[in-house]
Amino acid sequence: ETGVTQTPRHLVMGMTNKKSLKCEQHLGHNAMYWYKQSAKKPLELMFVYNFKEQTENNSVPSRFSPECPNSSHLFLHLHTLQPEDSALYLCASSQDSTSGPSYEQYFGPGTRLTVT
Amino acid sequence: GQNIDQPTEMTATEGAIVQINCTYQTSGFNGLFWYQQHAGEAPTFLSYNVLDGLEEKGRFSSFLSRSKGYSYLLLKELQMKDSASYLCAVINSNYQLIWGAGTKLIIKP
Repeated sequence: ETGVTQTPRHLVMGMTNKKSLKCEQHLGHNAMYWYKQSAKKPLELMFVYNFKEQTENNSVPSRFSPECPNSSHLFLHLHTLQPEDSALYLCASSQDSTSGPSYEQYFGPGTRLTVT
Repeated sequence: GQNIDQPTEMTATEGAIVQINCTYQTSGFNGLFWYQQHAGEAPTFLSYNVLDGLEEKGRFSSFLSRSKGYSYLLLKELQMKDSASYLCAVINSNYQLIWGAGTKLIIKP
């Protein structure tokens, strides 16, 4: 138990569906992250929020839409996805993501997404 | 570009020692992490190196050479539960975390 929870753990959706992934951290951290993990590839950072403000968007397609209502919650809204979007989506949090001391990230267990 | 290189897969025997290497080319350097990820689970923090040398933590040690752009994770007295993927990640000068693809470690009895 890392203090970061994600729901759902597994999701199968069609290309025309709309769904949302949820992440919650109970660690009092100020930064939250969405990553995509595909087999045998490096973790791909998608979005970073620091103190509820989006500080990074790594050229992610608009069919992925993040939302951070407060420092403890992070959502990833999905719509009209493609089969190549099938992957493990990991949420992480850390004390801070801006310059300064480099804080370790705590990961949630991930959502295994399959797009059919 | 920036990249992290580590072997895709390694096999070792229970009770033995294994060294997982990581080489990096990044725009600046502000530290290096090693994470462990069991299949179907979240990556968990193992170690952080920012200065050259060896950091020991129980059965696990991590080494860094900034001049060579090189790190390794050393696992001693291997146990079956050490079967996992080991991820190397480097913090660059913009405090971005650059990840390797991970090394899958298989432990055999």
